[in-house]
Parts: sequence; structure tokens; C-alpha cells
Amino acid sequence: EAQVTQNPRYLITVTGKKLTVTCSQNMNHEYMSWYRQDPGLGLRQIYYSMNVEVTDKGDVPEGYKVSRKEKRNFPLILESPSPNQTSLYFCASSTGTVVSNYGYTFGSGTRLTVV
Amino acid sequence: DAKTTQPTSMDCAEGRAANLPCNHSTISGNEYVYWYRQIHSQGPQYIIHGLKNNETNEMASLIITEDRKSSTLILPHATLRDTAVYYCIVRVLPISSGSARQLTFGSGTQLTVLP
Repeated sequence: EAQVTQNPRYLITVTGKKLTVTCSQNMNHEYMSWYRQDPGLGLRQIYYSMNVEVTDKGDVPEGYKVSRKEKRNFPLILESPSPNQTSLYFCASSTGTVVSNYGYTFGSGTRLTVV
Repeated sequence: DAKTTQPTSMDCAEGRAANLPCNHSTISGNEYVYWYRQIHSQGPQYIIHGLKNNETNEMASLIITEDRKSSTLILPHATLRDTAVYYCIVRVLPISSGSARQLTFGSGTQLTVLP
């Protein structure tokens, strides 16, 4: 089944403790992206990647890092999490620079709480 | 990308057609209309997209007015599982590797299908 898989689904951590949220897709998509969703603010893009070793900042990149060493994986790294990064995170992928007829495929989400 | 305006919420009786409107009066000629939905806290799901012609797939129909300033998403026989927030997004297709265009989600319409 074509899908975007995020792990973990739920995570509670403490301020300052580095964490990584993994994202993997099995559709050979070039484009991958991370969003965060907060009440009243909607979905906002954190980082995106056009292909292996090509990443760029979205609208809210502060406090996050990403890497794209393999086409299928696009982990989101929080080096020193803070409470304002408590949010619902989504990973998404799409075929290349021309969006496929089926648009973007999103993962099921990771609910992160930083205390 | 053109801005969209959607009603905040709508109700629909189960089994009836749900018609969700979207205004995009500033849409330009190369911008497509996309619809996504998000069932509570799950990842957004692609529904349908179109440029100027009406479109239909297994999930829904998309009716775009002749002047392209508005559109309507139609769920022909709404079920309880269609209760979700529906997002209308207007955007161009990326045309080069340097122009990754994120999806900009607005507030959407909360559709509640009533038994």
C-alpha cells in the first residue's frame, strides 16, 4: 500500500532532550515536506526537500532540522525541544516538481508534547 | 497563490449530497483548485483537483464556475465518515526544481454529517 509512515504517533518529552521524528514513504516520491498544525494557526510548513540532499526552509523552520540522505526518508530533528514546539506534526510527499493527479500524500501525524 | 474563502461550518443529512462552496475571486489562469479534507487529527487527504473543467472521481465532483472565481465540491451521498474539515486550496503547479510550492491551508469548512 502506498503510504507515508511517521513514527512515533505520540511522544511526550522534556525540554532540551533531543528527539527525531521519522518519516518514510514507499512511493519513490522526490518531494517531501514537514508541517505542524496548531489550533487557530492551521497547517504551517516547517521544511521541505526537493530530492536527496536538497532541503529548504518553510514558513516556521526555527528550532528544527531535517536531512534527506535517502529518497524514502525525511526525518525531523528537534535538537533542543521547547514547550512551544508542542504540536501535531505531519509529513507529506509528492512526485517531483509536478504534483501528481493525486496531490500530496500525508502521514498519520505525530502528536508531540514538550514539558 | 490566490486566497480562498470558505464557510466556517456546514451540516448535511446522511445520504444527501453535501455541497461545499469556495470563493477564489483572485485566481489566476495557471492556478488549479485543489480540495483536501482532514478527519479529526488525521493527515489531510487529497480529494480532487481541477483547472477549469468540472471533474469527478470516486470520492467527489468538483464544479468550477465559468469565470473560475468560485467552485463547489460535491459529495453525492454523504456518510458519517465524511465528517471532516474540508480545505479548498488554489495553487499553481511547480514548473521547475527551484519552485517548490507548499500547500497553504486556510481554515476550511467543518462539515458535519448528521444521522
